[in-house]
Amino acid sequence: NAGVTQTPKFQVLKTGQSMTLQCAQDMNHEYMSWYRQDPGMGLRLIHYSVGAGITDQGEVPNGYNVSRSTTEDFPLRLLSAAPSQTSVYFCASSVQGARGDSPLHFGNGTRLTVT
Amino acid sequence: AQSVAQPEDQVNVAEGNPLTVKCTYSVSGNPYLFWYVQYPNRGLQFLLKYITGDNLVKGSYGFEAEFNKSQTSFHLKKPSALVSDSALYFCAVIVSGSARQLTFGSGTQLTVLP
Repeated sequence: NAGVTQTPKFQVLKTGQSMTLQCAQDMNHEYMSWYRQDPGMGLRLIHYSVGAGITDQGEVPNGYNVSRSTTEDFPLRLLSAAPSQTSVYFCASSVQGARGDSPLHFGNGTRLTVT
Repeated sequence: AQSVAQPEDQVNVAEGNPLTVKCTYSVSGNPYLFWYVQYPNRGLQFLLKYITGDNLVKGSYGFEAEFNKSQTSFHLKKPSALVSDSALYFCAVIVSGSARQLTFGSGTQLTVLP
């Protein structure tokens, strides 16, 4: 059982480049989300989805796009990378995100550096 | 609005001693509270949660947490620390029945000294 799988593990981009961070889960979870982790700031929610075809913005959505065409996949797109987007990105999923009482299952993260 | 505070960036404790990692929260409504642990170069792992009922919640790896509504706190505890407990710990809160999303604290680095 793979759980939540994120690729790539590491990525270096130049300012202005675009890329997609991949996230896939094999637990048939309805809820999926993307967080960024920065030192001293905990995790901040970027975008989330409560089911296929439904996405919404979190706390820090600017500069990022998402789509949810299948239950399993929830890619995060950086449209034009900026140094401020240097961070560690985590994808997470849960059974019933709308109720809020189900714990999140996290991937192992993507460490992104923008130069 | 909802928020969670972890007042200590770093907690050091000797192996075998009890440990406490502090968390306070602020919500409008009834809270669901969570603790997660993060080991180096890994994602967060769920430890325990408070939804309703007994104020003392038991979780994975011998950890427990006490919900205190009057003090708006949800401190994580373990009676006897292990070196392997050294990790980054996050408290998180969400208001039950709301459309808001989970809010995380800034994290507390726990170091258990041999």
